[in-house]
Amino acid sequence: GESVGLHLPTLSVQEGDNSIINCAYSNSASDYFIWYKQESGKGPQFIIDIRSNMDKRQGQRVTVLLNKTVKHLSLQIAATQPGDSAVYFCAENQTPRVDKNFVFGPGTRLSVLP
Amino acid sequence: GAGVSQSPSNKVTEKGKDVELRCDPISGHTALYWYRQSLGQGLEFLIYFQGNSAPDKSGLPSDRFSAERTGGSVSTLTIQRTQQEDSAVYLCASSLDYQGESGYTFGSGTRLTVV
Repeated sequence: GESVGLHLPTLSVQEGDNSIINCAYSNSASDYFIWYKQESGKGPQFIIDIRSNMDKRQGQRVTVLLNKTVKHLSLQIAATQPGDSAVYFCAENQTPRVDKNFVFGPGTRLSVLP
Repeated sequence: GAGVSQSPSNKVTEKGKDVELRCDPISGHTALYWYRQSLGQGLEFLIYFQGNSAPDKSGLPSDRFSAERTGGSVSTLTIQRTQQEDSAVYLCASSLDYQGESGYTFGSGTRLTVV
């Protein structure tokens, strides 16, 4: 289930189940979004991105869904594995894009249970 | 190098001391960014270097923070007279150019603890 931990929202899932991580963004003018994965002791890594002219984009085992009406972004991970345990961040930006203007969410910790 | 390298990986310092954090970006990347990540928070933009242009320092939280980038490559973030609220992970990232579509590559960060 999903709960608010001491510092970060935490999502716990059983290995093999699908995970859905949610992100509410703040700026209705944002039109470019990235999901990052941050493993313990490492910097964030790019997973997948999506532009506002799309509502769905698929990668390898990951799917990002964008609902511009309610300013909501989600990351779906299929068949979650122990290696997926990490903190996941969404980031939003506008076109024309200036990288320093990315706004990052606080992150969600995904914990994969054996 | 193959990735963005930051040093030290961990730094514990006494309140009031100065610290220097180093970032070695990916070779050929013209853009370099510093972010701060406090526990339970998202990434906070600090400063941005692009080529030979003047850096964008708009995110620096106080005049105790400064950064330089020598020869368009290595960057150093300096925090003077450190305070406990400076404790955080300081992340450096680089990208080929600021309009690149792949996002940027982050280093592993320096965890700064001010005691």
